[in-house]
Amino acid sequence: DAGVIQSPRHEVTEMGQEVTLRCKPISGHDYLFWYRQTMMRGLELLIYFNNNVPIDDSGMPEDRFSAKMPNASFSTLKIQPSEPRDSAVYFCASSPDRGNQPQHFGDGTRLSIL
Amino acid sequence: KQEVTQIPAALSVPEGENLVLNCSFTDSAIYNLQWFRQDPGKGLTSLLLIQSSQREQTSGRLNASLDKSSGRSTLYIAASQPGDSATYLCAVRPHYGGATNKLIFGTGTLLAVQP
Repeated sequence: DAGVIQSPRHEVTEMGQEVTLRCKPISGHDYLFWYRQTMMRGLELLIYFNNNVPIDDSGMPEDRFSAKMPNASFSTLKIQPSEPRDSAVYFCASSPDRGNQPQHFGDGTRLSIL
Repeated sequence: KQEVTQIPAALSVPEGENLVLNCSFTDSAIYNLQWFRQDPGKGLTSLLLIQSSQREQTSGRLNASLDKSSGRSTLYIAASQPGDSATYLCAVRPHYGGATNKLIFGTGTLLAVQP
């Protein structure tokens, strides 16, 4: 199994630009999660999907952030417009069930907004 | 609001020592607790998952315990090796009066095992 695949691994862009992060979950996993990790706030859940439907987006910081899952094998997290405080490592994870099985994490996207 | 704390924030030990990492949480209403390992530049790898009805889980040199009533969990690593060097995070899946798939993470313990 290839695991959770995220792209790009690193992204450096200027403030105000649109940023799109991509994730391919493990095949057969019904749950997909987007997290953000910073030194100040640690690891925070932004949003999660079940069977491609957003279930809880209460962690999305503001309207500049949006996430979609058009099919079972692909999800995007978009930031528009980006700001320097969005700089962080963004992780995608997937899980086969509601929470009694571990979540499997991708290697993350390190985002720097200048 | 559920808060998860890990102590110590950093730990350095010589190879071969047994060690204990601590995790505490403020609300005992949880479904389960998980311990993860994070290597630099990598994502998280699940080590152990303890259901709320369980007291401990073991995998190789790792043993995790859970005392839900006191809001505590420990991760015991036996005979530590340099390859164990990483950041260790615990996370709880809270029970908000219904099903939820959220995980609340602690800030982690950075472990360095010296050869």
